[in-house]
Amino acid sequence: EAGVVQSPRYKIIEKKQPVAFWCNPISGHNTLYWYLQNLGQGPELLIRYENEEAVDDSQLPKDRFSAERLKGVDSTLKIQPAELGDSAVYLCASSFNTDTQYFGPGTRLTVL
Amino acid sequence: SQQGEEDPQALSIQEGENATMNCSYKTSINNLQWYRQNSGRGLVHLILIRSNEREKHSGRLRVTLDTSKKSSSLLITASRAADTASYFCATDNNDMRFGAGTRLTVKP
Repeated sequence: EAGVVQSPRYKIIEKKQPVAFWCNPISGHNTLYWYLQNLGQGPELLIRYENEEAVDDSQLPKDRFSAERLKGVDSTLKIQPAELGDSAVYLCASSFNTDTQYFGPGTRLTVL
Repeated sequence: SQQGEEDPQALSIQEGENATMNCSYKTSINNLQWYRQNSGRGLVHLILIRSNEREKHSGRLRVTLDTSKKSSSLLITASRAADTASYFCATDNNDMRFGAGTRLTVKP
């Protein structure tokens, strides 16, 4: 069974540039999560989708971050414009309902 | 906001010893999960314990849950150098919240 796929694995951009991350969840998983993880910290939830509906986006900085999950499968997370403080690892996870989450390898973003 | 809080923040032991990590949380939960993360890698699910369970085993892992104290513990028995990683607990009361983790170092 294929795991959660994320791309790119690494991204380096200059501040004020836009950036997008892509996530393909495990087949059959209706719930998809985007997390941000800073060095030495635990993941912080940005947004949770149940199918195509965002059911928890309270921690998503909506002035610059946006996400979508068209058709309830793949998802993209966008930052525009990126700031220096956005440098982190962006993790995607999926689950069936809110049971065990399976994480992707993450995208390491560096904003210069 | 993070709900699960792991304790200690860092733990260093010798190979063969047992490692115990604790997790405290604030609100009622449906389940509590423990994850492991090797440096620079994604999180790997270890074990899920539901709110009506008190103890669960998986190989060398033993997890306990005390809902009255809002706490959980993860015990790794007969530790190995390969167990070196960060361990996180996450609570799910409809939303997933992770703690900052315990960094475990097992010295060979």
